[in-house]
Amino acid sequence: ETGVTQTPRHLVMGMTNKKSLKCEQHLGHNAMYWYKQSAKKPLELMFVYSLEERVENNSVPSRFSPECPNSSHLFLHLHTLQPEDSALYLCASSRATSDTAEQYFGPGTRLTVT
Amino acid sequence: TQLLEQSPQFLSIQEGENLTVYCNSSSVFSSLQWYRQEPGEGPVLLVTVVTGGEVKKLKRLTFQFGDARKDSSLHITAAQPGDTGLYLCAGTRISGTYKYIFGTGTRLKVLA
Repeated sequence: ETGVTQTPRHLVMGMTNKKSLKCEQHLGHNAMYWYKQSAKKPLELMFVYSLEERVENNSVPSRFSPECPNSSHLFLHLHTLQPEDSALYLCASSRATSDTAEQYFGPGTRLTVT
Repeated sequence: TQLLEQSPQFLSIQEGENLTVYCNSSSVFSSLQWYRQEPGEGPVLLVTVVTGGEVKKLKRLTFQFGDARKDSSLHITAAQPGDTGLYLCAGTRISGTYKYIFGTGTRLKVLA
C-alpha cells in the first residue's frame, strides 16, 4: 500500500466517450503527477501540479484535461480519445517538485480505447 | 534524445545468478532514485542516492551513485524469481527544463 489510490483500475472506452480517471493521495504531499506508460516506451510525464497549480504540461493533446481541486485529489478527464491513447496511466505524488522529490505511485488505470 | 539510458534493456537469468543494471546520463543529478515495477502495478521506490560515490544496500540489492553524479548502478546478488520486474532509475537534474526524469527501464526476468 503506497498511499496513492487510483480508480478505476481498468477502463474500456469508445473514441466518442467521455470518462475521468481519479487519483487520491493520503500522504500529505504537495505535488501530484500524471504519467502515461505505453508498451516498450519510457514513462512519459504528462502533467505536474504543485499546490494545486499546474507547473508542467508536456505538450499533451487537449483531449486530455487535468484537474486538481486540492492537494489530495487529481483527475484526468478524457474525451474523443484515439486507439493510440491506450496505455497504463499512472498517478504519483511527492512532497514537492523540487530536489530529491521521491515519487510515490498509484497502481495505475489500464485504459483501452476501442 | 533520452536523457537517462538504462542497460541492458532486457535481462533473463537463472535463479541464483548475479546481475548489474546500469543507468547513464551526460547530465549531473542532485539525487537519483531506483524503482521496481511489477506487471499491472505502479513503480515502487527502492532507494534514493544523493552523494557522489554513495553506496546503499537493501538486502541483496546494492545501489551505487557515480562519483560525478551522472550515473548509477544496481547490483543484485543471488537473484530470485521475486526480483522479476521492470527496474527504473529516475533523477533530479541540476539544470534544464523540468528536472525530474525517468530512465528507459530494464526488464528483468528471473527463472526458477
